[in-house]
Amino acid sequence: DVKVTQSSRYLVKRTGEKVFLECVQDMDHENMFWYRQDPGLGLRLIYFSYDVKMKEKGDIPEGYSVSREKKERFSLILESASTNQTSMYLCASSLMQGLSTDTQYFGPGTRLTVL
Amino acid sequence: DAKTTQPPSMDCAEGRAANLPCNHSTISGNEYVYWYRQIHSQGPQYIIHGLKNNETNEMASLIITEDRKSSTLILPHATLRDTAVYYCIVRVVDSNYQLIWGAGTKLIIKP
Repeated sequence: DVKVTQSSRYLVKRTGEKVFLECVQDMDHENMFWYRQDPGLGLRLIYFSYDVKMKEKGDIPEGYSVSREKKERFSLILESASTNQTSMYLCASSLMQGLSTDTQYFGPGTRLTVL
Repeated sequence: DAKTTQPPSMDCAEGRAANLPCNHSTISGNEYVYWYRQIHSQGPQYIIHGLKNNETNEMASLIITEDRKSSTLILPHATLRDTAVYYCIVRVVDSNYQLIWGAGTKLIIKP
């Protein structure tokens, strides 16, 4: 089974702090994704990566950056956390870009609270 | 914007079949229909997907109408553990292969 793990289930940070959210997948997937999920807004794509050191902006990249130095690891960075970034953050991975039936597998999520 | 329409909530008795409808009237010929579910406080879980034909796996069945404008996810013998939000998603076939998530259907299985 595909396993996607996220570094923390719950995280509390202060406004202005730099925040790192880590995601690791163990199935040699090429694609990795970061979403945030807010009540009434569903899942929204922040960034995704289709290869090591490659990244593409999603729908809401402002205030975020990402890093993918190794194939199995995809990090989301909040350079200066703000209260409006309080949310559930979900990481996902999928096998390969170009597959029309590519399935995304999700981690358990990190609930981030910014005070 | 989401390309699918689902009822916001549904109930089903434990042991009965749960039938979750989804409308996707603007679906293109090469776009797949995906179903995911999200149990409270967990990440979404893939259930099934299809293009034209009906599909079945160990979790569920997917029935797609001939005109492909709607589909139904069937959980044949619902259990309390199937209580979750179910998302019907049309796969956007472009270079990003992005999933467009709607609000989903909150399915409550009652004993």
